[in-house]
Amino acid sequence: EDQVTQSPEALRLQEGESSSLNCSYTVSGLRGLFWYRQDPGKGPEFLFTLYSAGEEKEKERLKATLTKKESFLHITAPKPEDSATYLCGVHTGGFKTIFGAGTRLFVKA
Amino acid sequence: EAEVAQSPRYKITEKSQAVAFWCDPISGHATLYWYRQILGQGPELLVQFQDESVVDDSQLPKDRFSAERLKGVDSTLKIQPAELGDSAMYLCASSPGTGSYNEQFFGPGTRLTVL
Repeated sequence: EDQVTQSPEALRLQEGESSSLNCSYTVSGLRGLFWYRQDPGKGPEFLFTLYSAGEEKEKERLKATLTKKESFLHITAPKPEDSATYLCGVHTGGFKTIFGAGTRLFVKA
Repeated sequence: EAEVAQSPRYKITEKSQAVAFWCDPISGHATLYWYRQILGQGPELLVQFQDESVVDDSQLPKDRFSAERLKGVDSTLKIQPAELGDSAMYLCASSPGTGSYNEQFFGPGTRLTVL
């Protein structure tokens, strides 16, 4: 069964304290792994899509990496405005889109 | 900047009533998705359209949910009758390509509360 698991469920950081969010997946044929950011009461906002193991993408303080079993979203020197829920998901070989439950990030000034 | 429009933003209804949500995707986007997001969980795909055709509705509870995209542009999701467990955020998204692996642009969602 296709599955996406994100950890931790919630993460509290001090401003400037770098950390990583994990997304592990089990799918029948990965066509792409994606990361979205979601602010409370709003729709998700696209961050990255990764297609193959070893691929990396960066955007401001965020860097996403991909292996054959998991992806990491690294946050370098976070700011309070980075507080949000970060969603990971996959596009499978069966042309399905599956999201994980998300990691809620809180960054304190 | 083009955005996905959804209405209403909030809907409160009593169980057994009918509700309908509307979505207008970004102009030119061929693929349209409806998701349901329960508080604290990730979005769950309900139905995916390619133009006016349904590509995937395997997770759509067809006994009470229906979706249409008649002219391949805007779309309507209907629930009849609504149940308490349907309380959730209903998100619409669109993407320009024909594959589900394209970047998806989400609307602001409709928050449904069933009493």
